[in-house]
Amino acid sequence: GNSVTQMEGPVTLSEEAFLTINCTYTATGYPSLFWYVQYPGEGLQLLLKATKADDKGSNKGFEATYRKETTSFHLEKGSVQVSDSAVYFCALRGSSGNTPLVFGKGTRLSVIA
Amino acid sequence: GAVVSQHPSRVICKSGTSVKIECRSLDFQATTMFWYRQFPKQSLMLMATSNEGSKATYEQGVEKDKFLINHASLTLSTLTVTSAHPEDSSFYICSASGGQQETQYFGPGTRLLVL
Repeated sequence: GNSVTQMEGPVTLSEEAFLTINCTYTATGYPSLFWYVQYPGEGLQLLLKATKADDKGSNKGFEATYRKETTSFHLEKGSVQVSDSAVYFCALRGSSGNTPLVFGKGTRLSVIA
Repeated sequence: GAVVSQHPSRVICKSGTSVKIECRSLDFQATTMFWYRQFPKQSLMLMATSNEGSKATYEQGVEKDKFLINHASLTLSTLTVTSAHPEDSSFYICSASGGQQETQYFGPGTRLLVL
């Protein structure tokens, strides 16, 4: 079945550092790929998404490119801020129908000033 | 973006009691709602998929008689944990979607602690 593997945290970075959180997936067909963010005490929010190969999703300085050849969707940001501290989840959704999301385990990011 | 609410946000109950969790889509009609469970430092695990007016579809290993799901309207789904036990303590999260391949919007979650 479909699955998502993302790097385990926690990740601790200094402000303005470069961020990469790796995510790879296993799926049949052509899934859609997502990054969700969960800030402390809040629900999951969609950060960005890509629906087909070579698409790049971007939002709030974060970006991720759908790489079918490497089955990856790594999250990157050039300069993190303290306010980016949160848990980040990579997820995929199968290509047929209104299917549920399959999540990775989440990566906790802490950014220190 | 769309808003999904959950109530209560936190509940503590005694073992053997039943707990109902509500999930509401506040500004759109949710034809499909999903219920997830999240253990500490773990990912979200899908429990069931619920379409308005239909019986919920449960994932393998999830007891449908223990986790009763009702999706009676396009804006409300409920999850009832019947005869709760300490091992049911977890973070329960719902999400709502307006239709085929629509974005899923997540509720803030309900933390259940069974003593």
